[in-house]
Amino acid sequence: QQQVKQSPQSLIVQKGGISIINCAYENTAFDYFPWYQQFPGKGPALLIAIRPDVSEKKEGRFTISFNKSAKQFSLHIMDSQPGDSATYFCAASSPAGGTSYGKLTFGQGTILTVHP
Amino acid sequence: DTEVTQTPKHLVMGMTNKKSLKCEQHMGHRAMYWYKQKAKKPPELMFVYSYEKLSINESVPSRFSPECPNSSLLNLHLHALQPEDSALYLCASSHILSGWVGELFFGEGSRLTVL
Repeated sequence: QQQVKQSPQSLIVQKGGISIINCAYENTAFDYFPWYQQFPGKGPALLIAIRPDVSEKKEGRFTISFNKSAKQFSLHIMDSQPGDSATYFCAASSPAGGTSYGKLTFGQGTILTVHP
Repeated sequence: DTEVTQTPKHLVMGMTNKKSLKCEQHMGHRAMYWYKQKAKKPPELMFVYSYEKLSINESVPSRFSPECPNSSLLNLHLHALQPEDSALYLCASSHILSGWVGELFFGEGSRLTVL
């Protein structure tokens, strides 16, 4: 129940196209859904995150769509650029109860390649 | 300053060696994390320190020994490792927020090779 399932494993998109990565979860206690971007040789970096009280969040070319009833969320990258080529991880966490932090459960990752 | 600095960037050690990985942050974060990442896999949580106290140990073998000397520093002491422990070791930090984990800031990692 702690899993976050991510698809596809890899994605090839032409420059200017839309990249879409999907994630699904089972644990209804999850209440924070971030996306991390990782370039080769670097640590992951937070790209965008959403809480379940909204259905969509947009930051520049990056949009998270969230469907609470379906327990799914997705990342859309508009006007994809070669510089977006990286591995993308969705993640989820639940409230930590009496403690002040929660564990992040990561999806398996999507390797995005944007061709020029 | 929004950096998490990890040293060394690369480490090669034998199975009988003792070595340490170091992590430093100056963002005032009071939660610090060690993650292990294998190639083409997501990061796996190993340890969490909250207010300099170990709060989560994800059943990590005792050959990995974490230490948090102060609120800015996090160490991972390595002893008698196995070749399968070869991986990228990521340090991260975050604020401690009410009820949920804040944004994790990751370092670039220490790539460990165990011969």
